[in-house]
Amino acid sequence: GAVVSQHPSWVICKSGTSVKIECRSLDFQATTMFWYRQFPKQSLMLMATSNEGSKATYEQGVEKDKFLINHASLTLSTLTVTSAHPEDSSFYICSARVRVPSGIQETQYFGPGTRLLVL
Amino acid sequence: KNQVEQSPQSLIILEGKNCTLQCNYTVSPFSNLRWYKQDTGRGPVSLTIMTFSENTKSNGRYTATLDADTKQSSLHITASQLSDSASYICVVSGGWNDYKLSFGAGTTVTVRA
Repeated sequence: GAVVSQHPSWVICKSGTSVKIECRSLDFQATTMFWYRQFPKQSLMLMATSNEGSKATYEQGVEKDKFLINHASLTLSTLTVTSAHPEDSSFYICSARVRVPSGIQETQYFGPGTRLLVL
Repeated sequence: KNQVEQSPQSLIILEGKNCTLQCNYTVSPFSNLRWYKQDTGRGPVSLTIMTFSENTKSNGRYTATLDADTKQSSLHITASQLSDSASYICVVSGGWNDYKLSFGAGTTVTVRA
């Protein structure tokens, strides 16, 4: 299957600083990338959807000025957590969607996740 | 509101035994249903994906079933191994373009020797 990477895999930062997380599709071009947040023992929650070359679409309740998303190319999307606070500590997972012809194939591939701890 | 509910929340089984996880959904319209395995601290990995016309699909020791009429699915793990310890997430896709995914909360499976 297709491979999606994330960097860094974990990060610890001080409150008030900004943190950038990269999501890359390694062997395919992703028309759309998704960013999720997952708290312990909870399911993945979609934060935003980004399409290459356009502004991201944020889910209700997600602050777009706090979680900046840039989808500069078909293989790279970045999530920047600005002025991070302890409550932003979470597991952030990206997924990449590949354009496929009609029919059932696995269309979204998930990255390994990035663990963020804000002190 | 579209919902995906999984049961049990967690379970413990002995190595070599079988287990079955349940998933009920209310997502409409329905496109497909997927089961993912998520190891601790890792992203989800796809196990199976089924459309409404498929009743069962296997991936090694994992077998998923789907009843689109009752909106229920199950994931059966055969001859469990220690490496099967993980969270298993049921994900339902709604709409024609497979865009929006609705996630269940997952079932945490612990396999003990």
